[in-house]
Amino acid sequence: DAKTTQPTSMDCAEGRAANLPCNHSTISGNEYVYWYRQIHSQGPQYIIHGLKNNETNEMASLIITEDRKSSTLILPHATLRDTAVYHCIVRVAGGGQKLVFGQGTRLTINP
Amino acid sequence: KAGVTQTPRYLIKTRGQQVTLSCSPISGHRSVSWYQQTPGQGLQFLFEYFSETQRNKGNFPGRFSGRQFSNSRSEMNVSTLELGDSALYLCASSFVKETQYFGPGTRLLVL
Repeated sequence: DAKTTQPTSMDCAEGRAANLPCNHSTISGNEYVYWYRQIHSQGPQYIIHGLKNNETNEMASLIITEDRKSSTLILPHATLRDTAVYHCIVRVAGGGQKLVFGQGTRLTINP
Repeated sequence: KAGVTQTPRYLIKTRGQQVTLSCSPISGHRSVSWYQQTPGQGLQFLFEYFSETQRNKGNFPGRFSGRQFSNSRSEMNVSTLELGDSALYLCASSFVKETQYFGPGTRLLVL
């Protein structure tokens, strides 16, 4: 599975959009981009995933660049409860279920 | 639909003992994966089970083992516990090879 690079930490004001970047320059054509978040001492929570088209669900939007070498997770109206570590992961669709987690981005939402 | 459940949630053991952790996947999910999370190593993949067979394995010693039952419930066992086995153990389930959903974890403390 391709490696990803994320900033170590980010801050965002409550009510504003939080934009979390992820670089995955070695991504293969059959690899999806997944986002999970982990609030302290809890299990990772699935947020969203995509292959090449932009995706949106009730939690967030995922914007993938045309060359697929990077993506951005957007939390449109951040709340204090969105403070967490956000993980960007790439994995092959239909492949083994091994997810490779990096250190992620520690997002802090400030009141 | 109920989420992934893990029991027990907290556990204290002493060095040399063994421990068994249990995971009940989301109804209909047939794949169960286990992860270990420590402050130093982050989230690391232990193994994956599908239809009662280990399908994928991480880089952990043989003291770590698991199994899956016909109802997809899974257990993992750690024998001869060491202090370094203190961690949050996470279970994730998925339908065949799709998105993994994590449980709340079992926090193990080895004294």
